[in-house]
Amino acid sequence: DSGVTQTPKHLITATGQRVTLRCSPRSGDLSVYWYQQSLDQGLQFLIQYYNGEERAKGNILERFSAQQFPDLHSELNLSSLELGDSALYFCASSVGGLDRGGEQYFGPGTRLTVT
Amino acid sequence: GESVGLHLPTLSVQEGDNSIINCAYSNSASDYFIWYKQESGKGPQFIIDIRSNMDKRQGQRVTVLLNKTVKHLSLQIAATQPGDSAVYFCAEKGGANNLFFGTGTRLTVIP
Repeated sequence: DSGVTQTPKHLITATGQRVTLRCSPRSGDLSVYWYQQSLDQGLQFLIQYYNGEERAKGNILERFSAQQFPDLHSELNLSSLELGDSALYFCASSVGGLDRGGEQYFGPGTRLTVT
Repeated sequence: GESVGLHLPTLSVQEGDNSIINCAYSNSASDYFIWYKQESGKGPQFIIDIRSNMDKRQGQRVTVLLNKTVKHLSLQIAATQPGDSAVYFCAEKGGANNLFFGTGTRLTVIP
């Protein structure tokens, strides 16, 4: 158990809908990362927050947004969902950010299926 | 754009032997690199990282080597065990603080 929690574990929704994925980092970790893993795109980095501020941005679509709250939990919002958004979404946390490096701890992931 | 590629998509090694997984990257300005392991049905697991001001970094049974001259990264696993069977990804932190992943190498340990 990494100490990172993600909810929900599974999510099935229809095209055009909006969903919110939630992540709680390990106690003491200030950084939260979001990753997407799909069969055709592989593992992709989406975005990183550090203590409430966006610090790094990957190939995150404009339909996707994220935020980190004062209690350090993070939410990833996916809107106008398309079939291609079906994937595993992982959250990870670390003490520092990409600029400092250091071990990232991954959550169990949320499997999103868009039908 | 940046790209991270792996030389071999699959690698089979005998239990107890050393494994070497290779990764090529394209952005000479990348300053930070990470190796991840992903076992079947599980999420990624951070293994080790290295900054571009280093050539080598060691962890427990793992060593990462960085050759900036040829833009090559390798992960060495000593005394490979069945539990090391997984897909290994390298990632580079390139411009604009983005992380780019390779496609992965599947390591199979033969008992």
